[in-house]
Amino acid sequence: DAGITQSPRHKVTETGTPVTLRCHQTENHRYMYWYRQDPGHGLRLIHYSYGVKDTDKGEVSDGYSVSRSKTEDFLLTLESATSSQTSVYFCATVRTEITYEQYFGPGTRLTVT
Amino acid sequence: GQNIDQPTEMTATEGAIVQINCTYQTSGFNGLFWYQQHAGEAPTFLSYNVLDGLEEKGRFSSFLSRSKGYSYLLLKELQMKDSASYLCAHMDSNYQLIWGAGTKLIIKP
Repeated sequence: DAGITQSPRHKVTETGTPVTLRCHQTENHRYMYWYRQDPGHGLRLIHYSYGVKDTDKGEVSDGYSVSRSKTEDFLLTLESATSSQTSVYFCATVRTEITYEQYFGPGTRLTVT
Repeated sequence: GQNIDQPTEMTATEGAIVQINCTYQTSGFNGLFWYQQHAGEAPTFLSYNVLDGLEEKGRFSSFLSRSKGYSYLLLKELQMKDSASYLCAHMDSNYQLIWGAGTKLIIKP
């Protein structure tokens, strides 16, 4: 979706290094989400935000932290990357708080060696 | 607890009709979503049902029965470009989406 970008799109990093993924949206949406997607699993929620400086944990938050200092940016940090965090990470926003349907960014493929 | 199930993989023929089922268990319900995801790409929104019944949108239709915890996505006049994974998700009482693992649909000529 043109309104949501993620950076980087691909990253290879070593175990134990910190990594930050960025999600940027241009449409002033209040809700933003970080998911990971792994084979055999559905999308799993890591953290979400419902406004600037308002964040909460999802189902698989251990080893991850987030920050939202501006409406348009939602950052996901892996404090000390592990091989189990090798995954595809998607950011999403909610365009309408009537149906709460989510729209996704293009994803970041992260490999931890 | 919350759970959502859908078949892992289905195969269908170009031009045919296919129905992808989804069952869910939840203590709170605020809607059922279907998304399409092509390999290597992000999920894209297909449909939303919050009331029982059938919602039709072109070649795609989605059905919901809240009392049975059941939904299906119906794809008609299948085209090769419909080869993708189809993700079912229900929205719980906290407005969070609970996702199934997805159904990989393979279309054969």
